[in-house]
Amino acid sequence: GQNIDQPTEMTATEGAIVQINCTYQTSGFNGLFWYQQHAGEAPTFLSYNVLDGLEEKGRFSSFLSRSKGYSYLLLKELQMKDSASYLCAVRVAGSGGSYIPTFGRGTSLIVHP
Amino acid sequence: DSGVTQTPKHLITATGQRVTLRCSPRSGDLSVYWYQQSLDQGLQFLIQYYNGEERAKGNILERFSAQQFPDLHSELNLSSLELGDSALYFCASSVVGRDLNTEAFFGQGTRLTVV
Repeated sequence: GQNIDQPTEMTATEGAIVQINCTYQTSGFNGLFWYQQHAGEAPTFLSYNVLDGLEEKGRFSSFLSRSKGYSYLLLKELQMKDSASYLCAVRVAGSGGSYIPTFGRGTSLIVHP
Repeated sequence: DSGVTQTPKHLITATGQRVTLRCSPRSGDLSVYWYQQSLDQGLQFLIQYYNGEERAKGNILERFSAQQFPDLHSELNLSSLELGDSALYFCASSVVGRDLNTEAFFGQGTRLTVV
C-alpha cells in the first residue's frame, strides 16, 4: 500500500520562510508532486521531482531524496495569499501500466501578519 | 483556468438518489482521473480512464461507476447515495496515462451534498 505523511497544520509569519515536509512509503515510485489548494478550490500544480535534489521555481523550491522517501516544499518571502493547503502527491504505478498521483492529506499553512 | 471543465458546480440531492457528474478534459489530454475529497480525508483516487478505456481503479465503491466517451469527456455516476457521499468530486486530466513528468490539471470540482 501507499503511505504519505505530512504535518496537518503549520503557521508562519508574512515575509518568512517555511518548510513543509513529506515522507512516503510506496511501491513503484515514479515522481513526487506538490500542489497548492485554497479552500473549496481545485488543486494547482506547484512542482515535480523525479530525481534527487532541489528544484527551484521562483519563491517555491522542492527537494527530493528517494533513498529516504522524503521531500520538502520550501516557501520563501511568504505572502498572505500563500495561506492554503499544500498537498504532497506521489506518482505510483497502478494497474494496467498507468501511473496514479496518490495524495497525502495535505498541510494547512496559515500565514499571519 | 486549468482547462478542465466540470459540471455541475454544486449538486444537492436526497439519499437513495442517483447523480451524474461530468468532466471535459483539457484539449489534447487523453487521461482522466476522478478523485473524492471529503472534510476529513485527503484527495482519494477513485478511477482513471485513458483514451476511452478504464486504466486504473482506486477506492471506488460498487455504487459508483464511470466512463469516458469517444470525445474524451468523462462521467462519474453515483447511485444509491448516502449521507457519507457528500464531498467535493474532482476530475483531473493529463496528456498520457503513463509517462515521465506530466502533472495532472484539476477542474474546479463538483460539490455534492446528500440530504
